[in-house]
Amino acid sequence: EVQMLESGGGLVQPGGSLRLSCVASGFSFGSYDMSWVRQAPGKGLEWVSSISGRGENADYADSVKGRLTTSRDNSKNTLYLQLSGLRAEDTAVYYCARDIITSTTYDYYYYMDVWGKGTTVTVSS
Amino acid sequence: SYELTQPPSVSVSPGQTARITCSGETLPRKFVYWYQQKSGQAPVLLIYEDTKRPSGIPERFSASSSGTMAILTISGAQVDDEADYYCYSTDNSGYVHRVFGGGTKVTVL
Repeated sequence: EVQMLESGGGLVQPGGSLRLSCVASGFSFGSYDMSWVRQAPGKGLEWVSSISGRGENADYADSVKGRLTTSRDNSKNTLYLQLSGLRAEDTAVYYCARDIITSTTYDYYYYMDVWGKGTTVTVSS
Repeated sequence: SYELTQPPSVSVSPGQTARITCSGETLPRKFVYWYQQKSGQAPVLLIYEDTKRPSGIPERFSASSSGTMAILTISGAQVDDEADYYCYSTDNSGYVHRVFGGGTKVTVL
């Protein structure tokens, strides 16, 4: 069974840092791109970041660029999200998700098929 | 910036049909995907590539996409279908830009 389990969330002061982890199982982790998606309390889903299977390329939403860094350790089947310079608006449940990439003659398509249960980050003084 | 627009809420009686719309200017050339999120749970992929259902998703969930609008249909809605539903798509202009719609709360009563 494909599973992801996030950890590392907690209460942090504004300007602080935190590292989230996501341990994957049930599939060949290094063969898949992975993504982080967050959800602020009472709000919708927001894509945060994605990273290629070997970790050489990462993309970020404009709202987090320069403050959040995604990385992975394929030997440990683990995805990371380093959060720094945290703001109140970063308060959210952070989900990791497995990426699926498909293509047609004309284009590539990216979506998330399996999600972890999430870990909660609260930024408050 | 690229946006997907959904109605905030839809109500449906048990056994009736609910339709949730998602509009976006790139939908004519991009696939749309749908996720279901029940209260306190992680999202679940409901529909991929406009119309396809992953294994395990009930047949009462179907979807279509035409022009700038996609529609998720719940036929014979059940109380268990009460959830938030999100459409999702991408815009590859220059780099991969991933966007969720604002979500639609479906109430079955």
